[in-house]
Amino acid sequence: DIVMTQSPDSLAVSLGERATINCKSSQSLLYSSNNKDYLAWFQQKPGQPPKLLISWASSREFGVPDRFSGSGSGTDFTLTISSLQAEDVALYYCQQYYSTPFTFGPGTKVDIK
Amino acid sequence: EVQLVQSGAEMKKPGESLKISCKGSGYIFTSYWIAWVRQMPGKRPEWMGIIYPGDSNTRYSPSFQGQVTISAGKSISTAYLQWSSLKASDTAMYYCARISDNSGYYYPMDYWGQGTLVTVSS
Repeated sequence: DIVMTQSPDSLAVSLGERATINCKSSQSLLYSSNNKDYLAWFQQKPGQPPKLLISWASSREFGVPDRFSGSGSGTDFTLTISSLQAEDVALYYCQQYYSTPFTFGPGTKVDIK
Repeated sequence: EVQLVQSGAEMKKPGESLKISCKGSGYIFTSYWIAWVRQMPGKRPEWMGIIYPGDSNTRYSPSFQGQVTISAGKSISTAYLQWSSLKASDTAMYYCARISDNSGYYYPMDYWGQGTLVTVSS
């Protein structure tokens, strides 16, 4: 199985400041035939299912605010919230869909400082 | 509007059987893979397996193979997750989710059900 790790476990950021979450996979998620990274980012708030924010490492889903951005390739990825808003307090997970079983990172908790 | 609506919370005893459901609407249910995902309290989500409702083709995570059965009733746009003998360790929230592209399953999960809480306790 591909092992996903995330750092930090949690972070507290002031409103309007930048939050950065890192995700690392135990093997490359880049499929050479289409040059795509099979990596998604999800946001989960208490009592809710995960919500897809970003797919293919950097493609924002329709309706997701543009303060959310994804970057990286291969084995190292980053989710950035450029200007944290109160409604962004949540758990964030990365997930690979390169090979089954598709696996999630342990999550990063984002809070307001 | 795409929706996945799951059956309600269940409280069961160890050794009992259970089948939970996930009804899709707003899209062609038979054309998209459906995944089942377990989330134990305070833990990361875990991908259990997937089913293609069009022909009931199924793939399981090795961690869940033999522990659960995934099935689908395509005429009623419903996917199922079932246990023949529950254990206390099966206590978790279970989500169904749609795979976002109808050309395969190596795609992200875009729409999720609201979750079914399964509690197993004597």
